[in-house]
Amino acid sequence: DTGVSQDPRHKITKRGQNVTFRCDPISEHNRLYWYRQTLGQGPEFLTYFQNEAQLEKSRLLSDRFSAERPKGSFSTLEIQRTEQGDSAMYLCASSLVGTGEIRETQYFGPGTRLLVL
Amino acid sequence: AQKVTQAQTEISVVEKEDVTLDCVYETRDTTYYLFWYKQPPSGELVFLIRRNSFDEQNEISGRYSWNFQKSTSSFNFTITASQVVDSAVYFCALSEILDMRFGAGTRLTVKP
Repeated sequence: DTGVSQDPRHKITKRGQNVTFRCDPISEHNRLYWYRQTLGQGPEFLTYFQNEAQLEKSRLLSDRFSAERPKGSFSTLEIQRTEQGDSAMYLCASSLVGTGEIRETQYFGPGTRLLVL
Repeated sequence: AQKVTQAQTEISVVEKEDVTLDCVYETRDTTYYLFWYKQPPSGELVFLIRRNSFDEQNEISGRYSWNFQKSTSSFNFTITASQVVDSAVYFCALSEILDMRFGAGTRLTVKP
């Protein structure tokens, strides 16, 4: 399978704990995105990387959230001191974008469903 | 500011009926992309189509067709002869330089 993969698929944690999610994009893709989706809503953009550089962060991404893509391949999203409001599906997507192009087609992973008790 | 509106929250049809999902967008940019994604019960978003703002030609792919009209800022999606497997949430999305915004989605239920 050469699609976007995410791990874990489900995570239950207690309020105040830290959690980390991993995303493995399609291998040749240079852009990687993180989104959050709550029940009944469309995905909301959180941040994205071009190779290893984090180029944009949404105002939704509070100081408790941090994302990395150290080698320009997989990415991690960490949430510190989780709150019940963090409960959502966290989606990762990747795309291949050439020079001068705006965003190309994004391909999504299956998501990590987080429940904060 | 950009915004994507999918006014239909839920639609229910009987198999073999045609159904159109509406999408209206707002943007000040002249260069942008529009997308449709399908999210079946399994949860994974599946890419359906991408159109750029300079290409208003309508597109047909099997039972799926898309009507892009810049004059009304709409990018509607029609499923012809719907099937039970079409049941899913469908999202319209708008992408400019800075980020990608999704509509709230339309839940389509196709009954046998």
